[in-house]
Amino acid sequence: SQTIHQWPATLVQPVGSPLSLECTVEGTSNPNLYWYRQAAGRGLQLLFYSVGIGQISSEVPQNLSASRPQDRQFILSSKKLLLSDSGFYLCAWQLPGHHTGELFFGEGSRLTVL
Amino acid sequence: GQNIDQPTEMTATEGAIVQINCTYQTSGFNGLFWYQQHAGEAPTFLSYNVLDGLEEKGRFSSFLSRSKGYSYLLLKELQMKDSASYLCAVMDSNYQLIWGAGTKLIIKP
Repeated sequence: SQTIHQWPATLVQPVGSPLSLECTVEGTSNPNLYWYRQAAGRGLQLLFYSVGIGQISSEVPQNLSASRPQDRQFILSSKKLLLSDSGFYLCAWQLPGHHTGELFFGEGSRLTVL
Repeated sequence: GQNIDQPTEMTATEGAIVQINCTYQTSGFNGLFWYQQHAGEAPTFLSYNVLDGLEEKGRFSSFLSRSKGYSYLLLKELQMKDSASYLCAVMDSNYQLIWGAGTKLIIKP
């Protein structure tokens, strides 16, 4: 069976510090991978998605970046965090080629920037 | 622009039935999803509708009317564990998901 895991679950970071959130998927090959951010009272905001190693599409221009160094690994990074980066970050995977397929989400990472 | 509207919060009684509505305006349509999200947790998939009509899955049903840009999620025999947020999301013509802000459902004994 397939599993998805992201970490860390919670973190508190000062403004201007770097960020690295990791997500790994097991039990499937070449999944579509997504990073979302969820702010209170708002819908999930798509940040990045990837259909393969090294292929990253950015949906929202900001100080975040994503990388996919391995087939089942997706990393969200920032060199310098802003207060507005606070939120609940969700990684998700989807069966390859199944654009209308359901998303399977990781546990989420709650980031507080102070 | 693209827009998904759903009520912010609803309250219902244990054992009762509740209907959560979702209206959408998107550029194209490739299906509508409902997800359940308990507080502090990740969303989990409930249903997918791409054709008009009602899809039933146990205590949960989802309805779609594409001509009206409307869907609802029907929860029967409510249980306390159904207290959660329910997210409506529409896949547009570019296969991108547009998400509503979610409806927080409070179940009272």
